[in-house]
Amino acid sequence: GESVGLHLPTLSVQEGDNSIINCAYSNSASDYFIWYKQESGKGPQFIIDIRSNMDKRQGQRVTVLLNKTVKHLSLQIAATQPGDSAVYFCAENWADSSYKLIFGSGTRLLVRP
Amino acid sequence: DGGITQSPKYLFRKEGQNVTLSCEQNLNHDAMYWYRQDPGQGLRLIYYSQIVNDFQKGDIAEGYSVSREKKESFPLTVTSAQKNPTAFYLCASSMRLQETQYFGPGTRLLVL
Repeated sequence: GESVGLHLPTLSVQEGDNSIINCAYSNSASDYFIWYKQESGKGPQFIIDIRSNMDKRQGQRVTVLLNKTVKHLSLQIAATQPGDSAVYFCAENWADSSYKLIFGSGTRLLVRP
Repeated sequence: DGGITQSPKYLFRKEGQNVTLSCEQNLNHDAMYWYRQDPGQGLRLIYYSQIVNDFQKGDIAEGYSVSREKKESFPLTVTSAQKNPTAFYLCASSMRLQETQYFGPGTRLLVL
């Protein structure tokens, strides 16, 4: 069936450490993936995206890795800061659908001072 | 200042009442979307619109209606047929379908 899932519902890290948030997807036809950050009571904020013709993309302090062989996506945050505390969602866009963006249920990242 | 705005931030609905949530964008995006988010869960698509005067049902359209008379605006009406309307409602837009979606700040709907 259709699903975008996350391995860890809550991740607690020490300030300054690197964070890795994982996501599994089920549709091998998905060709576009997005990571969003959602702070409490706010709308999701775009962080970074990657297309299926790439396996790595870097932004400011963030890196997304895509492993199509095992249908796995990860978001790495370098030098995690208190402001990074939020829920992180991965989303996949099905290449065989005109609109569908499937969201995972989210991982909560807690940064310890 | 470009972006997506939603109003109101909080909305209270009485039994049997229809309420309308506003969504406006000045990003010149063609596509707009409405999602529902329940506590601790991901986003579920209610309706989407590819272009003005066109809209399609998403995964949970029952009890909701939309219109797209202007490119900038995509209001969502929660009708009395929606028996469990309490949720956080998020509007999003993208340049075109299948492109990155950008979200508004959300409207929290509560039932009195």
